[in-house]
Amino acid sequence: AQKVTQAQTEISVVEKEDVTLDCVYETRDTTYYLFWYKQPPSGELVFLIRRNSFDEQNEISGRYSWNFQKSTSSFNFTITASQVVDSAVYFCALIPNDYKLSFGAGTTVTVRA
Amino acid sequence: DAGVTQSPTHLIKTRGQHVTLRCSPISGHKSVSWYQQVLGQGPQFIFQYYEKEERGRGNFPDRFSARQFPNYSSELNVNALLLGDSALYLCASSPGTGGREKLFFGSGTQLSVL
Repeated sequence: AQKVTQAQTEISVVEKEDVTLDCVYETRDTTYYLFWYKQPPSGELVFLIRRNSFDEQNEISGRYSWNFQKSTSSFNFTITASQVVDSAVYFCALIPNDYKLSFGAGTTVTVRA
Repeated sequence: DAGVTQSPTHLIKTRGQHVTLRCSPISGHKSVSWYQQVLGQGPQFIFQYYEKEERGRGNFPDRFSARQFPNYSSELNVNALLLGDSALYLCASSPGTGGREKLFFGSGTQLSVL
């Protein structure tokens, strides 16, 4: 069985602050994929990144960056210089060999002007 | 290009009734999956279909069923509704088998069971 834990339920920051979202996962499979999705108030989940278990390179995309550490089973996400438009619920997700995508409970990010 | 469309957007039913939710994937996408999202929680996987065949099923009772049509659209059916079935039902599509691909989500159907 697999499990994704997002320990932070809510994070509130002032615009331009950095915010880091934690994600810890559990799986017995050696091959798996990790994802981050964003859910704005409209409800539609938006894909942010996909990472496979063999690729531990960290990635930066604009103001977003991801830190994947297989040794600690963590896949953390940082928003640099946050903006009000970043306010949303962010989900970490895992899909191992059984092809069933498991989401964490989500972290609500509120960015105040 | 149109995204994933779901209908209806909102639905109110009473306990014991049956409901059918519909999903049209992005043109060219052959995989559709369904998720249930209870308020304050992450989405829970219900079903995945690829080329009209069920590829995966989550831990949901047999009251939940789905199918995919030749045009790749999909329906999710829930029988004998319970209060606990109240949730946002999300549909997602992807071009290939869907297992480990980037998913494109619709805005969901908000189901309220009274």
